[in-house]
Amino acid sequence: DQQVKQNSPSLSVQEGRISILNCDYTNSMFDYFLWYKKYPAEGPTFLISISSIKDKNEDGRFTVFLNKSAKHLSLHIVPSQPGDSAVYFCAAQPQGGAGSYQLTFGKGTKLSVIP
Amino acid sequence: ETGVTQSPTHLIKTRGQQVTLRCSSQSGHNTVSWYQQALGQGPQFIFQYYREEENGRGNFPPRFSGLQFPNYSSELNVNALELDDSALYLCASSLKLAGGLGEQFFGPGTRLTVL
Repeated sequence: DQQVKQNSPSLSVQEGRISILNCDYTNSMFDYFLWYKKYPAEGPTFLISISSIKDKNEDGRFTVFLNKSAKHLSLHIVPSQPGDSAVYFCAAQPQGGAGSYQLTFGKGTKLSVIP
Repeated sequence: ETGVTQSPTHLIKTRGQQVTLRCSSQSGHNTVSWYQQALGQGPQFIFQYYREEENGRGNFPPRFSGLQFPNYSSELNVNALELDDSALYLCASSLKLAGGLGEQFFGPGTRLTVL
């Protein structure tokens, strides 16, 4: 039973255009969400996060949107650059209490930015 | 500041054997989490150690065990290896404070192949 779902295994985007990566979750206890980026032969690197008290968080070219009622979040990358080509993982955790130590990951979306 | 390191990089074992994987935390971090990433999947939480004690566990059998040492480095031990244990094993360190767990920083992982 997947609690965090990334339904697009891959995405190709032209350089300079917007990349939109989507993530859905089913566990209502999740209230903190993170995006990680992973290059081959490296561990995941934290990219951006959002708490459930917000609906948007921005950091440079990266923006995460959260729709709590739909249990959906998305990562927008604008403009996309070839160096953004990587696997992107959506992750979630309860902010406190039981399980707050544990990140639950989606399967990832492989983003390819074409020059 | 030294990041999270893991050893070995790659490992090949046969079914039924035992394996020990090692992780050195990032300087200043007191918490270590271990994740298993099977091919085509997202990382799956195994367990977390804080102050040398197991602080939470995912859905993994008891043959997966761990240790955390006074210098906050950690080991993951897997007994009676099975073919399905073939995966990338990721270690993540973080700083746990009264307010909660900080960002988790991942190592590059150990690729375990069970034949």
